[in-house]
Amino acid sequence: DIQLTQSPSSLSASVGDRVTITCRASQSISIYLNWYQRKLGRPPKLLIYAASSLQSGVPSNFSGSGSGTDFTLTIDSLQPEDFATYFCQQSYSRPYTFGQGTMLEIK
Amino acid sequence: QVQLQQWGAGLLEPSGTLSLTCAVDGGSFSRYYWTWIRQPPGKGLEWIGEMNQSGNTNYNPSLKSRVSISIDTSQSQFSLKLNAVTAADTAVYYCARASGWDHYFALDVWGQGTTVTVSS
Repeated sequence: DIQLTQSPSSLSASVGDRVTITCRASQSISIYLNWYQRKLGRPPKLLIYAASSLQSGVPSNFSGSGSGTDFTLTIDSLQPEDFATYFCQQSYSRPYTFGQGTMLEIK
Repeated sequence: QVQLQQWGAGLLEPSGTLSLTCAVDGGSFSRYYWTWIRQPPGKGLEWIGEMNQSGNTNYNPSLKSRVSISIDTSQSQFSLKLNAVTAADTAVYYCARASGWDHYFALDVWGQGTTVTVSS
């Protein structure tokens, strides 16, 4: 199985900050990497697919980049509603696997 | 807008069978893979498996001997069965829709999640 390692596991930031979350794959997965947001008690929400494509309805302060083994999710100008847990998922090969998550907290 | 509504037993005894169903409300059943994912307490998400309308299935090898996913297109529902459950199967279970093609699949619609506890 392909392992996905996210860093950091938790992050404190303030409204208006720019934050970057990293996801590293154990082997090359081209651009087959998705990012999700999850808030407490809610199901995950797709933010970014194919490494850098913004899902419909997702605010433009979210962006993704990367290919091969290294990927980043960047959130510009943090809004109060952006404080949540973020995780990556690869669709290069089954079984699909997920990163362990990054908890973004208010500083 | 497509919504997924899931239900099933929340408390099981060891060696029992987990059974969950997910209803697809408001969208087409074709062209997608209908997926089950779970998250045990304190652990990350685990992909269980998927099925499409043509009957193509893919399962996580770690669960393959115990899991079965089925689709009822007439009811616009898909289901998960997991046999011989143990405490290790205690988790929040999600149904989801995988959209895309080739390797470009992403889980773009999710159910609300069902907490399943295995305990005697």
